[in-house]
Amino acid sequence: GAVVSQHPSRVICKSGTSVKIECRSLDFQATTMFWYRQFPKQSLMLMATSNEGSKATYEQGVEKDKFLINHASLTLSTLTVTSAHPEDSSFYICSAGDSSYQETQYFGPGTRLLVL
Amino acid sequence: QKEVEQDPGPLSVPEGAIVSLNCTYSNSAFQYFMWYRQYSRKGPELLMYTYSSGNKEDGRFTAQVDKSSKYISLFIRDSQPSDSATYLCAMSGDNQGGKLIFGQGTELSVKP
Repeated sequence: GAVVSQHPSRVICKSGTSVKIECRSLDFQATTMFWYRQFPKQSLMLMATSNEGSKATYEQGVEKDKFLINHASLTLSTLTVTSAHPEDSSFYICSAGDSSYQETQYFGPGTRLLVL
Repeated sequence: QKEVEQDPGPLSVPEGAIVSLNCTYSNSAFQYFMWYRQYSRKGPELLMYTYSSGNKEDGRFTAQVDKSSKYISLFIRDSQPSDSATYLCAMSGDNQGGKLIFGQGTELSVKP
């Protein structure tokens, strides 16, 4: 199956700092990538859809100035949590859509963010 | 009412049992149906993908889609302790812009 990587896998930062998370599709090109947030024992919550070369589309209630998304190439999307606060602590997961396998998404391993 | 309903469990079975996981949905436009397995603190892993109605088998796993009843199932035969994970159903349609709609996830525990 298709492989998606995420970096870092875990990050601890102080309140007020910014954190960047990278998502890469390793063996296929992804015109669309998705960013999710997951709380313990809950399902995935879609934050935004990232399209290569254009602005991301954010879900209702997600602050676009807080969660900056850049999809600079067909294999890389980044999520930057700006001025992070403890309530931003969560598990962030990206996925990449494989257009050759219609509507299927392949997920990265996730990034655990802890803001102190 | 949520678009996709999935019993969150937890579900506990003995090793070797047949496991049945189910989701119901309300949007008749859904055509693409997936099951993901998620181990604790990991990203979801695609297990099964089905387009429209029918059955699909892959090893010990069988996915069934009944569009007339808006009901999908995942069966796991000869369950193993390594199958212990959360199973998420997901679905989409041509009008979803590539987005997946997830169920709440069912936590499965297979006891040796």
